[in-house]
Amino acid sequence: DQQVKQNSPSLSVQEGRISILNCDYTNSMFDYFLWYKKYPAEGPTFLISISSIKDKNEDGRFTVFLNKSAKHLSLHIVPSQPGDSAVYFCAARDAGGTSYGKLTFGQGTILTVHP
Amino acid sequence: GAGVSQSPSNKVTEKGKDVELRCDPISGHTALYWYRQRLGQGLEFLIYFQGNSAPDKSGLPSDRFSAERTGESVSTLTIQRTQQEDSAVYLCASSLDPPGIAVSYEQYFGPGTRLTVT
Repeated sequence: DQQVKQNSPSLSVQEGRISILNCDYTNSMFDYFLWYKKYPAEGPTFLISISSIKDKNEDGRFTVFLNKSAKHLSLHIVPSQPGDSAVYFCAARDAGGTSYGKLTFGQGTILTVHP
Repeated sequence: GAGVSQSPSNKVTEKGKDVELRCDPISGHTALYWYRQRLGQGLEFLIYFQGNSAPDKSGLPSDRFSAERTGESVSTLTIQRTQQEDSAVYLCASSLDPPGIAVSYEQYFGPGTRLTVT
């Protein structure tokens, strides 16, 4: 039972354009959402997060949008750069389970930004 | 400062053998997590440590899997009688979460150990 889903296994974007990565979830008890970025042979690195009480969080070129009614979040990267090419994971925390930071991850989306 | 380190980076083992994977978290991080990522899949939670206790072992797939942690330091994940389906990248993460309060949800990941069971 996949509680966090990233339905697009890959995305290809031209440098300078916008990249939009999508994530859907099913557990209404998720209260915090994060995006991680992963390069080959490295561990995931934290990118940006959003609390369920907000609908938008922005950090430089990265913006995360949360639509709770649709149980959907997205990561926008503007403008996209070739160095953004990586695997992007969406993750969510279940507030109803425990008080610690156990995360449930999506399958990941491979982003390729072409020069 | 040093990040999370894991060893070995790669491990090839024969089916039926035991393996031990090591994680050195960031100094001062009380929380430690083990995940695994099988080919084409997302990260799958295995176990959570707060200090040297493991309040959540719910992700361990079978009794062949066990883990321990020394204080707020090194953790080892042991897989006994390995099977081919155990082949995956095993990732360790640490964070500053104090007991009972999730102040920071940001987890810092190590580079992982790629385990191949032949």
